Amino acid sequence: EDQVTQSPEALRLQEGESSSLNCSYTVSGLRGLFWYRQDPGKGPEFLFTLYSAGEEKEKERLKATLTKKESFLHITAPKPEDSATYLCAVMPGTASKLTFGTGTRLQVML
Amino acid sequence: DTGVSQDPRHKITKRGQNVTFRCDPISEHNRLYWYRQTLGQGPEFLTYFQNEAQLEKSRLLSDRFSAERPKGSFSTLEIQRTEQGDSAMYLCASRSGQGRPEAFFGQGTRLTVV
Repeated sequence: EDQVTQSPEALRLQEGESSSLNCSYTVSGLRGLFWYRQDPGKGPEFLFTLYSAGEEKEKERLKATLTKKESFLHITAPKPEDSATYLCAVMPGTASKLTFGTGTRLQVML
Repeated sequence: DTGVSQDPRHKITKRGQNVTFRCDPISEHNRLYWYRQTLGQGPEFLTYFQNEAQLEKSRLLSDRFSAERPKGSFSTLEIQRTEQGDSAMYLCASRSGQGRPEAFFGQGTRLTVV
């Protein structure tokens, strides 16, 4: 069965303090690994798709990387508006559904 | 393209009542998903449609839950005889059948069973 584990559960950073979020996964034939951002009371907002080990994607202060067992979401010089829950999900090659982790709640302080 | 639309955004119902939620996917997307999310958890898969065909249902999905997607357009999720444990955020997502696998989510329907 596909599994996704995210760490840490919660992270508090000062504005400008860079850090990384971890997503460890097991999946039968990876079709894609996805990162989403979710604000309180809202639906997840798509950020990145990674397809194979060694791939990297960037968007503003966020950079996602992928290995065969885990993915990292690097946040460079975060701002308070980056505060949200970041969700990682995988889609296996044999199915179309996403399996999500429990997310990392990020709080960026002024 | 206005994104995935869900209605209502919030629903409060008494235990034992039936509720129905609606999802309008992105117009060119032929794949539609329903997920459920409780506080502090990630979204949990419920069911999946390709066009009008319901291709997969979670083993965890109670018989009280039913979903439809007539004519492959909008979808409805009905919960019969609601229980307090059904209180959650119900999320709908859609994706294209061509190429890119990422799914786009609506804002969800928050269900509270009292």
